Amino acid sequence: GAGVSQTPSNKVTEKGKYVELRCDPISGHTALYWYRQSLGQGPEFLIYFQGTGAADDSGLPNDRFFAVRPEGSVSTLKIQRTERGDSAVYLCASSLAGGGNTIYFGEGSWLTVV
Amino acid sequence: QKEVEQDPGPLSVPEGAIVSLNCTYSNSAFQYFMWYRQYSRKGPELLMYTYSSGNKEDGRFTAQVDKSSKYISLFIRDSQPSDSATYLCAMSRGPDTGRRALTFGSGTRLQVQP
Repeated sequence: GAGVSQTPSNKVTEKGKYVELRCDPISGHTALYWYRQSLGQGPEFLIYFQGTGAADDSGLPNDRFFAVRPEGSVSTLKIQRTERGDSAVYLCASSLAGGGNTIYFGEGSWLTVV
Repeated sequence: QKEVEQDPGPLSVPEGAIVSLNCTYSNSAFQYFMWYRQYSRKGPELLMYTYSSGNKEDGRFTAQVDKSSKYISLFIRDSQPSDSATYLCAMSRGPDTGRRALTFGSGTRLQVQP
């Protein structure tokens, strides 16, 4: 597809379960970002990949959150021992390498922890 | 106190009105300033991108940055019902790795009445 693709679009899970959220960036985009958006709030930065490596993971809230991008394209955000406070929209974005390039967002994965 | 403050609205205006949206920020290290539009259940879409102080115009949209006051604005002329959305300001410290993470405001919900 032409845009950033995220799956699943909706996920309901029980407290304590493990969740994986997938992001397929725009073809050719080497920079990939994960953000989290709670209801009524702006997106909050989690992690940024340049290629396969995490260039900035300062936004990950704790060690229950982890993200990988093993081949420099698709990325997976992994959340262990989910808590109700993890309920939010998880947005993935991508851009061409280098600063100043437009960052394109996907439509997000809506996570609800019950 | 949040680094970026934005009035959540909602802001309701008649079609054809001039809309003014604003954000204030506290971190003087921010150098790049953006405005995103977000429709319901969609990802943010970049509208305007400016560097440092000054004005930038694109069609019906004008972005202003006043770094001395730590204040940014987005003006929408001849507003249309299709402009009804949440508008998010965002800013970053720079284009380099480790400085690219965007800090968002909480968003202002705009409703343009036909």
